[in-house]
Amino acid sequence: DAGVIQSPRHEVTEMGQEVTLRCKPISGHDYLFWYRQTMMRGLELLIYFNNNVPIDDSGMPEDRFSAKMPNASFSTLKIQPSEPRDSAVYFCASSPPRGVDNEQFFGPGTRLTVL
Amino acid sequence: SQQGEEDPQALSIQEGENATMNCSYKTSINNLQWYRQNSGRGLVHLILIRSNEREKHSGRLRVTLDTSKKSSSLLITASRAADTASYFCAIMNSGYSTLTFGKGTMLLVSP
Repeated sequence: DAGVIQSPRHEVTEMGQEVTLRCKPISGHDYLFWYRQTMMRGLELLIYFNNNVPIDDSGMPEDRFSAKMPNASFSTLKIQPSEPRDSAVYFCASSPPRGVDNEQFFGPGTRLTVL
Repeated sequence: SQQGEEDPQALSIQEGENATMNCSYKTSINNLQWYRQNSGRGLVHLILIRSNEREKHSGRLRVTLDTSKKSSSLLITASRAADTASYFCAIMNSGYSTLTFGKGTMLLVSP
């Protein structure tokens, strides 16, 4: 079974450009999480969805960031306009319907560099 | 928000030795999880311990949880070069649905 799929794996763009990151969660998982990882701040939760509905976006740093989940198998994280301080690795993770255990399954990440 | 803090930040050992990493937190938890991240890759779940459990084993991994001290430890026995990675603890707070990750311990296992 395929794991969480993210694309692109690497993105280099110039300041001011729009960036769209994509994620396909594991089939049957109803939670989807977007994280950002930097050396300074570690792994930060940006937003998460349950059954395609955004539940908590308090981690989204600014209005320049937006996320959507139009269906159970696809989500996007968009940054418009991008800035150099947005450079980081962005991870998508999914987890199955909640029981007692709730491990998260991470994608390989998208390394974003904004020049 | 609540965040686990790992200790040490970095650990360097020889193959065959044991590696111990610690995690401290501040509030009540639902469970605590440990993840591994190899360089340039995503995080991989290793083990979960619930708030009413004190110890768990999985292969060469042993996790303990002391809720009175608000701390957990991850022990990797008979380490291998392939164990070289960063290890993160993640807190599932009581009443929440999300994990809060620490900044990790970088483990280097030399052949």
